[in-house]
Amino acid sequence: GAVVSQHPSRVICKSGTSVKIECRSLDFQATTMFWYRQFPKKSLMLMATSNEGSKATYEQGVEKDKFLINHASLTLSTLTVTSAHPEDSSFYICSGRAINSYEQYFGPGTRLTVT
Amino acid sequence: QKEVEQDPGPLSVPEGAIVSLNCTYSNSAFQYFMWYRQYSRKGPELLMYTYSSGNKEDGRFTAQVDKSSKYISLFIRDSQPSDSATYLCAMSLTYGNNRLAFGKGNQVVVIP
Repeated sequence: GAVVSQHPSRVICKSGTSVKIECRSLDFQATTMFWYRQFPKKSLMLMATSNEGSKATYEQGVEKDKFLINHASLTLSTLTVTSAHPEDSSFYICSGRAINSYEQYFGPGTRLTVT
Repeated sequence: QKEVEQDPGPLSVPEGAIVSLNCTYSNSAFQYFMWYRQYSRKGPELLMYTYSSGNKEDGRFTAQVDKSSKYISLFIRDSQPSDSATYLCAMSLTYGNNRLAFGKGNQVVVIP
């Protein structure tokens, strides 16, 4: 299957700071990328969907001004958690989908801890 | 009621046993049903998908969907230690639909 990478794999930041997570499709062009969040013992929850060159579409209840998503190229999407709070601590996973494809390829996830 | 219910386990079985996993769901409009496998510190990878009700077999893996009961299952025959992972069910209204509804995932440990 296609490969998606995420960086960093783990990050610890102080409350009030911002942190950026990168998601890259390494061997395919991801026209659509998805960002998920997973709390311990909870389901993967879709946060937003982004199409290359367009504004992201956020799921209900996800603050677009807090979770900034940029999908500027066909191989890179970034999620910036602004003014992070301890309750934002979670596992963030991205996935990419190529044009004319139905399958989503997932990255390995980023563990964010806000102290 | 949660959209997708999946018992997180963990489930421990001896090597060679049959692993049985299942999910229930509440939205009768779901048409596509998927099973993902996630190894530790890796992203989920698609194992199988099934459209509507019925069975699908792929090697040692069998997926079953019973839409009348809103119940899906995954069976792993002749389980191997390499099958030790977390298995997540997911479903969507259409295949390729943006919004995948996931279960919590079920951790499986196959003991040699």
